[in-house]
Amino acid sequence: KAGVTQTPRYLIKTRGQQVTLSCSPISGHRSVSWYQQTPGQGLQFLFEYFSETQRNKGNFPGRFSGRQFSNSRSEMNVSTLELGDSALYLCASSSRLANQETQYFGPGTRLLVL
Amino acid sequence: KNQVEQSPQSLIILEGKNCTLQCNYTVSPFSNLRWYKQDTGRGPVSLTIMTFSENTKSNGRYTATLDADTKQSSLHITASQLSDSASYICVVSARNTGFQKLVFGTGTRLLVSP
Repeated sequence: KAGVTQTPRYLIKTRGQQVTLSCSPISGHRSVSWYQQTPGQGLQFLFEYFSETQRNKGNFPGRFSGRQFSNSRSEMNVSTLELGDSALYLCASSSRLANQETQYFGPGTRLLVL
Repeated sequence: KNQVEQSPQSLIILEGKNCTLQCNYTVSPFSNLRWYKQDTGRGPVSLTIMTFSENTKSNGRYTATLDADTKQSSLHITASQLSDSASYICVVSARNTGFQKLVFGTGTRLLVSP
């Protein structure tokens, strides 16, 4: 089975712009979770989607949003980018809800905001 | 407050030596505990996942232990190899009640030196 894929792998944007990141989960997985990872904060949970519904949400501002399609692929959008949004954004999938079984992570999208 | 604390923050050991990483948590109600290995620039990879009733689980040279009474876990690495150099992240999951989510530790950065 192919693993979790994320596109793009690297991205450079400027403050005020918006960005959309994409995640394709492992075939058959219905849960997709998004995380932000920075050197100082470690992994921080953004949100989880299961069967096209947001099931869980972390403590991030409304500029961070996501959605999941019927084929379980997910997108994450960040509007009005700030310098502090520079981070590695990781997507993880599992066949059940994230807190019920092992998650499989993608390679991440590294975002740099200038 | 649900928290996961890992120690040490960083560790340097010689190739071939053993080491033990610690994880203390206050997450409640407890569902499972996971250890992930994350190589630099890559997504985390699952090493072990343990439920309340399991007190040890092995994956090759990695052995995780869990003491649910004291809310402590450890990850023991035997006969370390250069490829073990990575960050090791402890993640604790609460039982699926409402909007419970995974709680991540900030990780232990391990460097195996030749």
